[in-house]
Amino acid sequence: GENVEQHPSTLSVQEGDSAVIKCTYSDSASNYFPWYKQELGKGPQLIIDIRSNVGEKKDQRIAVTLNKTAKHFSLHITETQPEDSAVYFCASTGNQFYFGTGTSLTVIP
Amino acid sequence: GAVVSQHPSRVICKSGTSVKIECRSLDFQATTMFWYRQFPKQSLMLMATSNEGSKATYEQGVEKDKFLINHASLTLSTLTVTSAHPEDSSFYICSAIRGAGSLYNEQFFGPGTRLTVL
Repeated sequence: GENVEQHPSTLSVQEGDSAVIKCTYSDSASNYFPWYKQELGKGPQLIIDIRSNVGEKKDQRIAVTLNKTAKHFSLHITETQPEDSAVYFCASTGNQFYFGTGTSLTVIP
Repeated sequence: GAVVSQHPSRVICKSGTSVKIECRSLDFQATTMFWYRQFPKQSLMLMATSNEGSKATYEQGVEKDKFLINHASLTLSTLTVTSAHPEDSSFYICSAIRGAGSLYNEQFFGPGTRLTVL
């Protein structure tokens, strides 16, 4: 089955710095890679996604890159703000849907 | 648009009772909804896929007689935890896909339901 590894599990950055979270997957059939932000006690919210026919996608301070050959994709948050603090999950959709293990991001004011 | 609600947001029940959780797509029709379970500081685990008008598809290891799913309309899916026990205590989250879609489409998640079984 699919195995989606996510690193790091925790990440602390100073406000204004960049944060990068990486995920790797194993299913070659995977072609949809969303990223979710989950705040405490709430459901996940989609923040950005990318499909396998694209190598990079950007939306303001958030960007996602995909390397299908190496089977990894990354979330980049620039100019981080305290309200970016949350748990972030990557996901991979191939024959099935799998969430990564999550990254707890803390942005220090 | 694309709002998914869950009710209740929090429920506490005694061991042995059954609890029903509702998941509604408020402004779109959802042929397919999904139910997840999340333990503290862990990722979401897909429990089952709920399809309108047909039986739910359960993931391996999930007891279908324990977690009853009904998707009676294009905007409502329900999860009933039957004869709940303390180990069923968890955060249950549903998601919906707009129209007739698959996991390759964007999922809209509900706010979750915190179940505590005493």
